[in-house]
Amino acid sequence: SAVISQKPSRDICQRGTSLTIQCQVDSQVTMMFWYRQQPGQSLTLIATANQGSEATYESGFVIDKFPISRPNLTFSTLTVSNMSPEDSSIYLCSVERAFGGGGQETQYFGPGTRLLVL
Amino acid sequence: RKEVEQDPGPFNVPEGATVAFNCTYSNSASQSFFWYRQDCRKEPKLLMSVYSSGNEDGRFTAQLNRASQYISLLIRDSKLSDSATYLCVENAGNNRKLIWGLGTSLAVNP
Repeated sequence: SAVISQKPSRDICQRGTSLTIQCQVDSQVTMMFWYRQQPGQSLTLIATANQGSEATYESGFVIDKFPISRPNLTFSTLTVSNMSPEDSSIYLCSVERAFGGGGQETQYFGPGTRLLVL
Repeated sequence: RKEVEQDPGPFNVPEGATVAFNCTYSNSASQSFFWYRQDCRKEPKLLMSVYSSGNEDGRFTAQLNRASQYISLLIRDSKLSDSATYLCVENAGNNRKLIWGLGTSLAVNP
């Protein structure tokens, strides 16, 4: 598995402000993923972040609202811009790692950032 | 139609019971699937993978039925600590995207 940390673990923010979430991994990874999990919902992929290139955003998510940085192979940030109460959610980063002995890969998650927008 | 569907539950079972969850998927070409466990206010954690016909790990057995496009998770001898939400996940192909179900909530009662 991977050791992944996120900062902050939680925050309460005023509408119209922005919050930057940091994700740190214990070793180099090619791809990092940012998800959102709204109350009572499953995980929704926001974007995939590769080092050295622009992030790839999923339908319904745009760079102006969720700018992402990937300055190196162990770190990424997601900014939630111009927040509204609808942005209240858990934001999770994940990385792909091998598991078992058969070369299979899946995603391992950071502990998440709980955001409440008032 | 949602691509990965799960019965949200909740499933309430006594300790020691056997419980099974099903999950259906829509992409017949998908090759691999996972079950993740998510505790309240925690991140999802990999429970087991499901390739080819199935996988067993202790009290947990995952089965894949390609003809009917569903996977299942069987938990034997349920423990209180098994109480969680179980997420069914489809690995849909080359783009490495995972497709997540809404999860099935399990409560194991003393």
